Amino acid sequence: DGGITQSPKYLFRKEGQNVTLSCEQNLNHDAMYWYRQDPGQGLRLIYYSQIVNDFQKGDIAEGYSVSREKKESFPLTVTSAQKNPTAFYLCASSSWASGRENEQYFGPGTRLTVT
Amino acid sequence: GQNIDQPTEMTATEGAIVQINCTYQTSGFNGLFWYQQHAGEAPTFLSYNVLDGLEEKGRFSSFLSRSKGYSYLLLKELQMKDSASYLCAVTGSSNTGKLIFGQGTTLQVKP
Repeated sequence: DGGITQSPKYLFRKEGQNVTLSCEQNLNHDAMYWYRQDPGQGLRLIYYSQIVNDFQKGDIAEGYSVSREKKESFPLTVTSAQKNPTAFYLCASSSWASGRENEQYFGPGTRLTVT
Repeated sequence: GQNIDQPTEMTATEGAIVQINCTYQTSGFNGLFWYQQHAGEAPTFLSYNVLDGLEEKGRFSSFLSRSKGYSYLLLKELQMKDSASYLCAVTGSSNTGKLIFGQGTTLQVKP
């Protein structure tokens, strides 16, 4: 089945450690996105990528890094510089065309807890 | 600036009708999405409006007024499983695929 996978669903880390969240899609979408969601809040864009080997900062990129070496994969690294890393992280993809094609398909999310 | 406003919380009774409003001010506009998100899960697509008017899809309908920067999601014959957050998201004029999300409205359906 086509879709987006994120693993693991729950992740625990000690403060000061970098951690990488995986995101894979087999929808043949060009664009991929990373969002952060805090309790009772909407989605805030961290990074996005429209094509392989290219990505742009979103609204809250500080303390995060990404890579896009393959069309199917867009891993997110939460670095020790991120002051409040505990959150629910969602990955999405789309074909970045206009109209309904803008629809973003979301992965199941990774809940990261840093203590 | 870019701003999307939705009520934070709403409560309704099973079997009733509820309307969730969304107002937006963005530098460009191509269309508006509504997503449903159950707690701890991924958002799922509900509707997409690009032209003014009402789009009906089963128990859910979505309305758009581009001149007023306003949309609403109408849920009829509410069921307990409709308890979730409803996210309004706008596509800007640049063809990047980016969506601007509101903070979401948490709907609680009571028996």
